[in-house]
Amino acid sequence: DGGITQSPKYLFRKEGQNVTLSCEQNLNHDAMYWYRQDPGQGLRLIYYSQIVNDFQKGDIAEGYSVSREKKESFPLTVTSAQKNPTAFYLCASTARVVSNQPQHFGDGTRLSIL
Amino acid sequence: DAKTTQPTSMDCAEGRAANLPCNHSTISGNEYVYWYRQIHSQGPQYIIHGLKNNETNEMASLIITEDRKSSTLILPHATLRDTAVYYCIVREVGAGGTSYGKLTFGQGTILTVHP
Repeated sequence: DGGITQSPKYLFRKEGQNVTLSCEQNLNHDAMYWYRQDPGQGLRLIYYSQIVNDFQKGDIAEGYSVSREKKESFPLTVTSAQKNPTAFYLCASTARVVSNQPQHFGDGTRLSIL
Repeated sequence: DAKTTQPTSMDCAEGRAANLPCNHSTISGNEYVYWYRQIHSQGPQYIIHGLKNNETNEMASLIITEDRKSSTLILPHATLRDTAVYYCIVREVGAGGTSYGKLTFGQGTILTVHP
């Protein structure tokens, strides 16, 4: 089945540690996104990528980094500079940014601080 | 992207139709209406989207008013598994836009389906 796979489902970070969240899609989508969701709140955009080897900052990019070396993969690194990393992280993809086709989401990674 | 207004919560009896309203009075011509739902601790699930015509798929129907200032998502026969937070989102589509395709989720409507 085609879809978006996020791993791990749960992740714990120690102080001063960088952690990387995985996002893989087999939908042949060009565009991929990372969102953050805090309890009781909507999603906020961290980074997005329109195509391989390209990515742009979203609304809350500070303390995060991404790469897009392959079309299928868009990993997110939460660095030690992100002072409040505890949240639910969601990866999404769509055919193209300018398309009206919907974004499809993975099942998320819940990150907590030890 | 235009803002949307939804009721905070709604109830529906199992087997009955659930009608979820959404106001988007400042919607512009190149903005589509999308509906998603989110069950606790899962990623948002796409339901349906439309521009100005009514749309139907295997999950739901979307009714958009002629002036496009509001819409209604209809779940024709609600089940207990339809209990979720439902989000109505308006998104600009097309080259030259500044939203780069991001989805702006509001607070949504908590739909509770009861036996």
